[in-house]
Amino acid sequence: EAQVTQNPRYLITVTGKKLTVTCSQNMNHEYMSWYRQDPGLGLRQIYYSMNVEVTDKGDVPEGYKVSRKEKRNFPLILESPSPNQTSLYFCASTGEGRNEQFFGPGTRLTVL
Amino acid sequence: SQQGEEDPQALSIQEGENATMNCSYKTSINNLQWYRQNSGRGLVHLILIRSNEREKHSGRLRVTLDTSKKSSSLLITASRAADTASYFCATDRDNYGQNFVFGPGTRLSVLP
Repeated sequence: EAQVTQNPRYLITVTGKKLTVTCSQNMNHEYMSWYRQDPGLGLRQIYYSMNVEVTDKGDVPEGYKVSRKEKRNFPLILESPSPNQTSLYFCASTGEGRNEQFFGPGTRLTVL
Repeated sequence: SQQGEEDPQALSIQEGENATMNCSYKTSINNLQWYRQNSGRGLVHLILIRSNEREKHSGRLRVTLDTSKKSSSLLITASRAADTASYFCATDRDNYGQNFVFGPGTRLSVLP
């Protein structure tokens, strides 16, 4: 089944404790993105990647890092999480020549 | 700032009625997409309209695009309770079409 998977789905952590949210897609898509969703603000793009080793900042990249060492994986790294990073995070992927994004199920992160 | 802005923020209708949601954006685009999100879950792509198109249909969905007014509308005809969800428009801001901006969404409730 074609899908985007994220792990973990739920995470409660404390300020300053490094964490990684994994994202993997099995559709051989070139493009991948990370978003955060907050009430009243819709989705805001954090980072996106056009291909392996090619990443670019979205609208809200501060406090986040990403890497794209393999085509299928696009982990989101929070080196020192803070409470304002409490949010619902989505990973998405798109095939080359297309614009339709396939979204993962989301990761609900709470930073205390 | 938000590129896409949906209007209204919330809409409540009876089953069988039509639902219309609007989206405005600020800069030039290559295409505009509409997505649906069921409570807290990943977004699902509904329809894409390119900047050189004025209207597009997909089943009970009809999307229009007016680039002179920088606005789009999504019409859902003969709504069903299962259409209850949040609807988002998304625009791309670069030539690769991967730097997306989403609006805050319209929350649609279809009452049986």
